[in-house]
Amino acid sequence: AQSVTQPDIHITVSEGASLELRCNYSYGATPYLFWYVQSPGQGLQLLLKYFSGDTLVQGIKGFEAEFKRSQSSFNLRKPSVHWSDAAEYFCAVGEPIGTYKYIFGTGTRLKVLA
Amino acid sequence: NAGVTQTPKFRVLKTGQSMTLLCAQDMNHEYMYWYRQDPGMGLRLIHYSVGEGTTAKGEVPDGYNVSRLKKQNFLLGLESAAPSQTSVYFCASSSGQGRLSAFGSGTRLTVV
Repeated sequence: AQSVTQPDIHITVSEGASLELRCNYSYGATPYLFWYVQSPGQGLQLLLKYFSGDTLVQGIKGFEAEFKRSQSSFNLRKPSVHWSDAAEYFCAVGEPIGTYKYIFGTGTRLKVLA
Repeated sequence: NAGVTQTPKFRVLKTGQSMTLLCAQDMNHEYMYWYRQDPGMGLRLIHYSVGEGTTAKGEVPDGYNVSRLKKQNFLLGLESAAPSQTSVYFCASSSGQGRLSAFGSGTRLTVV
């Protein structure tokens, strides 16, 4: 069965510092991979997605993620964090065939210090 | 362009009461999903549908039923609400292959 692990429940960084949020997945083949962001009281917004091809994916709001097959990882990065990036971030795995359903990680809550 | 619309946005139920949550999408998506979000547990898939007239169980289906009588609507029902079903419920839709996923803004349900 597919699963997603986000090992960091909370992360705190200073504004302007770099950020890396970790995501590891378990799946029999290469799944579709996603990162979503959720601000308090809001729905989920898609940041970026990986289906195939170039393993470095660019997303919105200056985020990028790198797919590493050997490590079953899809870590999210941003070179310089802004206070408005404070939110909860979810990694998700999608089945590339069949039901196309998505399994989510438990989330990482990001706090940004001014 | 409404996208995915969930109704209601908030609801308080007493234990044992029933209710239906409605999800409507106007993007002609084949695939629709219901998730629940609980603190520290992320989003867990309740039920999903791969097309009109079809439904399937997800990770946590117990206590819920769903129907997809029309392509644009996906209904989630609670026949006899329990406090354990207090959660935020999200509906999502997709055209397939994850290319056009969209989420609703959520329904906050409290069961007392």
